[in-house]
Amino acid sequence: GQSLEQPSEVTAVEGAIVQINCTYQTSGFYGLSWYQQHDGGAPTFLSYNALDGLEETGRFSSFLSRSDSYGYLLLQELQMKDSASYFCAVVYRENTGFQKLVFGTGTRLLVSP
Amino acid sequence: NAGVTQTPKFQVLKTGQSMTLQCAQDMNHNSMYWYRQDPGMGLRLIYYSASEGTTDKGEVPNGYNVSRLNKREFSLRLESAAPSQTSVYFCAAGHTEAFFGQGTRLTVV
Repeated sequence: GQSLEQPSEVTAVEGAIVQINCTYQTSGFYGLSWYQQHDGGAPTFLSYNALDGLEETGRFSSFLSRSDSYGYLLLQELQMKDSASYFCAVVYRENTGFQKLVFGTGTRLLVSP
Repeated sequence: NAGVTQTPKFQVLKTGQSMTLQCAQDMNHNSMYWYRQDPGMGLRLIYYSASEGTTDKGEVPNGYNVSRLNKREFSLRLESAAPSQTSVYFCAAGHTEAFFGQGTRLTVV
């Protein structure tokens, strides 16, 4: 099966930098995605890494190391509105050849003034 | 510009009742998914569909059935609802970048 691990909660202050780690065990690995979910809302896509290295999108960056089965989401210049849950998710190919998307349990980020 | 649309947004069922959650996408994605979200459990995959006419089980399929009659629509059916199925249900489309519906908050009493 597939398994992902990420911390359950992270706290930080406005303006700071925070890193949310994700480790995974997956066969047929394709890539690692990150999603943000505010309380009461739906998950929204943040980033996708298929290759090793860092992808930057504004204040958010995502990193992947395929050899270490590890990735992280880096949030810079934290704002109060960044308080949310963040999920890593693996895209993998099953024996059928079809691609599936499976999520971790999420990291709750609390940003304080 | 609807993206992924789920209905209903809220539902209360009595134990043993049946219902179908509807999901439609206008993004032309082949892959569609149904997840349930419970506190502290993240998003757990119930069923997925890689293309029209194909479906497969996810992590927690028991008590559910699905139907992918065309590329746009992927429905989730609870034949005999149980209190353990009280949850928030999300439909999604895509895979490297997935788009989610707004969710259905289901309570089974």
